[in-house]
Amino acid sequence: NAGVMQNPRHLVRRRGQEARLRCSPMKGHSHVYWYRQLPEEGLKFMVYLQKENIIDESGMPKERFSAEFPKEGPSILRIQQVVRGDSAAYFCASSAGLLNEQFFGPGTRLTVL
Amino acid sequence: GENVEQHPSTLSVQEGDSAVIKCTYSDSASNYFPWYKQELGKRPQLIIDIRSNVGEKKDQRIAVTLNKTAKHFSLHITETQPEDSAVYFCAASSNQGGKLIFGQGTELSVKP
Repeated sequence: NAGVMQNPRHLVRRRGQEARLRCSPMKGHSHVYWYRQLPEEGLKFMVYLQKENIIDESGMPKERFSAEFPKEGPSILRIQQVVRGDSAAYFCASSAGLLNEQFFGPGTRLTVL
Repeated sequence: GENVEQHPSTLSVQEGDSAVIKCTYSDSASNYFPWYKQELGKRPQLIIDIRSNVGEKKDQRIAVTLNKTAKHFSLHITETQPEDSAVYFCAASSNQGGKLIFGQGTELSVKP
């Protein structure tokens, strides 16, 4: 049973470009969460999605950030017009249901030049 | 708002000693409390969790205790080994949201 998959593992973008981060949950999991980890800091919740629905986006910056989890395919976190402050590790986690264990993917390390 | 405080931020112990990390939470609706271990450059890995209907849970050298009245929970690692060295994060969640609110992390160093 494959774990949570994320790609790319490393992503380098120049200021103003777009970043697309992908997450495939564990088989049988329909709940996806995105967290951001700044260097030397803890994990901050960004958004919680189920298939075709955004359940909670209270941790998402109001501008430039969006997320989706379509009926088919991976969940995508999209960052438009990246700035240096967006440099961080972005982790996706999945669970089988509300309050079930969340299992994390390997993360995408975004570097903005 | 929801908040989880974690202490200490760094902890250094000798191999074989015990290590204790403490967390407090603010949201009284929280009812699920996992602990994650994160090695440098790796993903957070769930090591143990506890739900609000239980006061203590143990898994080999790792135990977690929960005091709902005081809104705090603790991780206990006994007979520490060098491979226990990592950053440990506590978190809290409620069935009103599902999202995990993380503590700031504790960097544990176990010296051989």
